[in-house]
Amino acid sequence: QTVVTQEPSFSVSPGGTVTLTCGLSSGSVSTSYYPSWYQQTPGQAPRTLICSTNTRSSGVPDRFSGSILGNKAALTITGAQADDESDYYCVLFMGSGIWVFGGGTKLTVL
Amino acid sequence: EVQLVESGGGLVQPGGSLRLSCAGSKFTFSSYWMNWVRQAPGKGLEWVASIKQDGSEKYYVDSVKGRFTISRDNAKNSVFLHMNSLRVEDTAVYYCASAPEVVPGPADYWGQGTLVTVSS
Repeated sequence: QTVVTQEPSFSVSPGGTVTLTCGLSSGSVSTSYYPSWYQQTPGQAPRTLICSTNTRSSGVPDRFSGSILGNKAALTITGAQADDESDYYCVLFMGSGIWVFGGGTKLTVL
Repeated sequence: EVQLVESGGGLVQPGGSLRLSCAGSKFTFSSYWMNWVRQAPGKGLEWVASIKQDGSEKYYVDSVKGRFTISRDNAKNSVFLHMNSLRVEDTAVYYCASAPEVVPGPADYWGQGTLVTVSS
């Protein structure tokens, strides 16, 4: 069974740039996996950031961008702010109507 | 702004049943795939089920196949998750989500979630 992998944790300095990745335990992520990215703070519902590799959801600032880097999907946050400190999840389309989330990355801004 | 409001969560014994509802408003509900995503306490997100605009296609994560059924009523702008043979490991906050309009994806807008607790 293919697992979607994410860094468990990451840290970034205020104003800095960070790139979070979303990979597969076996194989490479491509646009055909339609990777999406979500942000979640404790006790809140997730917020959609990016759909289908690089389409920003409504109201999402352009500090957040999605791409494919090498064999993984990537979420890049530029000009990191204190309120970017959250959990970030990616999800990939596995075919046959099935979506699989990664385990999430806890981002610390300090 | 799109609104999704879940209801129907609660405490249920193992082996029991529950029906979750999600009411959508301020968007053309019948034009969107709808999904359920859950989150166990202290854990990550897990996609549970999807249903096509007209209900003709439904998909489920393996762990709920044969136990959960997703359905929708476009006349009432609502999607449902019928959960049978509930297990302790089904304990989670269940989120309803509408899919993106023009690109593939399991979620664009999210509800606030409803907590399902399976315990004796």
